Amino acid sequence: QVQLVQSGAEVKKPGASVKVSCKASGYTFTGYYMHWVRQAPGQGLEWMGWINPNSGGTNYAQKFQGWVTMTRDTSISTAYMELSRLRSDDTAVYYCARENYDSSGYSKGSFDYWGQGTLVTVSS
Amino acid sequence: DIQMTQSPSTLSASVGDRVTITCRASQSISSWLAWYQQKQGKAPKLLIYKASSLESGVPSRFSGSGSGTEFTLTISSLQPDDFATYYCQQYNSYPWTFGQGTKVEIK
Repeated sequence: QVQLVQSGAEVKKPGASVKVSCKASGYTFTGYYMHWVRQAPGQGLEWMGWINPNSGGTNYAQKFQGWVTMTRDTSISTAYMELSRLRSDDTAVYYCARENYDSSGYSKGSFDYWGQGTLVTVSS
Repeated sequence: DIQMTQSPSTLSASVGDRVTITCRASQSISSWLAWYQQKQGKAPKLLIYKASSLESGVPSRFSGSGSGTEFTLTISSLQPDDFATYYCQQYNSYPWTFGQGTKVEIK
């Protein structure tokens, strides 16, 4: 069965960086774009961008360009999201989410599987 | 960026009620809309994609409709397991954006 298992909670000081991992299993890792979505405490969902695990190509929301980096290691079916220059308002749960495709390989544009979430707390 | 606005923000309903949530886009998104259910402390769960297509395994009491700028999610007969927060999401253009959420509470 498809599973996305994320790394554990992190506490960081302002100005630091954090790197969250997302290990995929139960499907061909390189066949599906992986997205990252965050959710601040008590708030809604915010899309951050995606990585194509096959090519390593990325597409970041403009808001995050220059301070988010998405990478992958195909040998261990793991995607990573690194956020630098952390501020207190980056405190949030960060999710990886697999893009949904139909049987013909066309994107359904939505997210069919999600990781369990990683809480990143930024506090001095 | 395309703004997604959901209404109401909170909805109080009873088991067995028919519930409708509305999502409006700031510009046309054709049918490129998904709906998710999120329970406290859990990741969202996909319910509907392409405005009206039911994701595999999702109960048929959930349905979606609409196109262009106005969309609805309907739960035909609310069940105890359905008390949660619901989000719409557009994928017509980047950045993909979500509505602010609608919390369905027990009346």
